[in-house]
Amino acid sequence: GAGVSQSPSNKVTEKGKDVELRCDPISGHTALYWYRQSLGQGLEFLIYFQGNSAPDKSGLPSDRFSAERTGGSVSTLTIQRTQQEDSAVYLCASSQLTGSTNEQYFGPGTRLTVT
Amino acid sequence: DAKTTQPPSMDCAEGRAANLPCNHSTISGNEYVYWYRQIHSQGPQYIIHGLKNNETNEMASLIITEDRKSSTLILPHATLRDTAVYYCIVRVANNAGNMLTFGGGTRLMVKP
Repeated sequence: GAGVSQSPSNKVTEKGKDVELRCDPISGHTALYWYRQSLGQGLEFLIYFQGNSAPDKSGLPSDRFSAERTGGSVSTLTIQRTQQEDSAVYLCASSQLTGSTNEQYFGPGTRLTVT
Repeated sequence: DAKTTQPPSMDCAEGRAANLPCNHSTISGNEYVYWYRQIHSQGPQYIIHGLKNNETNEMASLIITEDRKSSTLILPHATLRDTAVYYCIVRVANNAGNMLTFGGGTRLMVKP
């Protein structure tokens, strides 16, 4: 079946501009996660959604970052007034939360470059 | 989540078994052992997980010691496409808010 998809795959933007990153989770997955990975670094958790609500926003690095999820499906991560340190690969994952397991399935990521 | 320790890198000959160790001596009774891998320029990929019994799927086998303080991921016949960073993660399973915390992982290089 279809996996997690993300768009765009690559985004180059000028410093100070706003960007929107989109994630389409696997159909039926109730939990959705956003991470980012800077060059050569590990994954940094940003935010997760259970349904449309985001109980934990503590990982968002600044108030320039926000995310929403509608209809329990698609999620959008918005970065306002982008800075060069925002350059990274932004990864989305979803999980089903059935039974006793919670494996997360990742999308291919969006590579954001802020010039 | 319990901390894990993995060797930073390993080599394996193509066609041979790759055995990737992970130490998790502070694991709690309700924490599972998960393995993910990340191939260059791709998102992480779920491989396998287990609680205390050994597990096998189409990708790999997971061997967990009786005291659950360590585990080994086995790729029975490694191919060049298995070259990746492999992450061992210990976490509670059925909690939506339990994000994945990736450590340094083991960089596996499969050589022809």
